[in-house]
Amino acid sequence: EPEVTQTPSHQVTQMGQEVILRCVPISNHLYFYWYRQILGQKVEFLVSFYNNEISEKSEIFDDQFSVERPDGSNFTLKIRSTKLEDSAMYFCASTASGGTDTQYFGPGTRLTVL
Amino acid sequence: TQLLEQSPQFLSIQEGENLTVYCNSSSVFSSLQWYRQEPGEGPVLLVTVVTGGEVKKLKRLTFQFGDARKDSSLHITAAQPGDTGLYLCAGERNQGGKLIFGQGTELSVKP
Repeated sequence: EPEVTQTPSHQVTQMGQEVILRCVPISNHLYFYWYRQILGQKVEFLVSFYNNEISEKSEIFDDQFSVERPDGSNFTLKIRSTKLEDSAMYFCASTASGGTDTQYFGPGTRLTVL
Repeated sequence: TQLLEQSPQFLSIQEGENLTVYCNSSSVFSSLQWYRQEPGEGPVLLVTVVTGGEVKKLKRLTFQFGDARKDSSLHITAAQPGDTGLYLCAGERNQGGKLIFGQGTELSVKP
């Protein structure tokens, strides 16, 4: 069964460093998302992406964050200058089309900022 | 602010008991999804409900979407230790839109 994959599974970085989290959505999906989950808190929406542009972003998704679909398969989240409070699990999700299609989640990347 | 209130937050029961988890909102959702999440992993879809009043069954799990599409419930019959985990509800308001998650229900089923 097709699934969303994410790499790396765990990323440790120093505060102020740039990180790129990678996702490979399910191949025929058109809508892509990033969510994050700080330890012990609820899953929070960061950004959605459709037709090679951001369709919606949350207040969390400030100028330090960017997303890109550099080729036909990868979907990346970049954090330019990481802060301690960026430590969280980051989940990528994708869905085939809009409407009420289910969003399928990847296994997540645990980002630890020291 | 769109909120999805999930309750209870924690639930500890004995094997064989029944339980219900609730998700409530003042907002209308086009669909509502229930996920299960294991520690350190991503949410895994259990079911999507779309139509007001819809009831879906998945073995011992029964999911219901409220008539007004503002609330949903998950009922587990004869819970088993294998049901232990974190259950999340998440609502979608518009086409291709973001999911708004509830706080989650941490279920523990003791043998």
